[in-house]
Amino acid sequence: NAGVTQTPKFRILKIGQSMTLQCTQDMNHNYMYWYRQDPGMGLKLIYYSVGAGITDKGEVPNGYNVSRSTTEDFPLRLELAAPSQTSVYFCASSSDSRERPQHFGDGTRLSIL
Amino acid sequence: QKEVEQNSGPLSVPEGAIASLNCTYSDRGSQSFFWYRQYSGKSPELIMFIYSNGDKEDGRFTAQLNKASQYVSLLIRDSQPSDSATYLCAVINDYKLSFGAGTTVTVRA
Repeated sequence: NAGVTQTPKFRILKIGQSMTLQCTQDMNHNYMYWYRQDPGMGLKLIYYSVGAGITDKGEVPNGYNVSRSTTEDFPLRLELAAPSQTSVYFCASSSDSRERPQHFGDGTRLSIL
Repeated sequence: QKEVEQNSGPLSVPEGAIASLNCTYSDRGSQSFFWYRQYSGKSPELIMFIYSNGDKEDGRFTAQLNKASQYVSLLIRDSQPSDSATYLCAVINDYKLSFGAGTTVTVRA
């Protein structure tokens, strides 16, 4: 019963480094999402995907890239990490149902120093 | 104007009391409405969803939706210390979820 799995759970990066946050789900959901949550704030949508091969920008896409080659995986790429990208990143997925409740992974806590 | 606004917290209630959380949204085309609970350092977990006007009850939780007023609320009856968390209101449009900043609830024993 894995659900949505995110790796790594914690990471410290230096300014200018790059990394990929991994997200995989085993519920055969078409919709997948990446959010960031800054302290004391709600979640902001970075990118989303409605199926393999289809991605689109959310509210705060600058500095990030995504790909969706399979239904299961939706990695988030940070290029040239900046201190402003210090945040907690959540991946989520949902089915095609009307209610579309989103199932969240445990998050990746990322610090850029 | 923010898309989703929640009443500012923190909200402190005694054990056994009713906690009332409010949320307004700006887009009249919003289709579905969710309440998530988030414990400190954890990911959000869905506790209620509603998409029709009126009330929806699930155990000690009641969600209320008024689309004409663009208002959705969450009532927590018989509040327990385990209900102490941040509650996030979320609104969906075209499968994109917009979240409010959250209201932190503390239940006093």
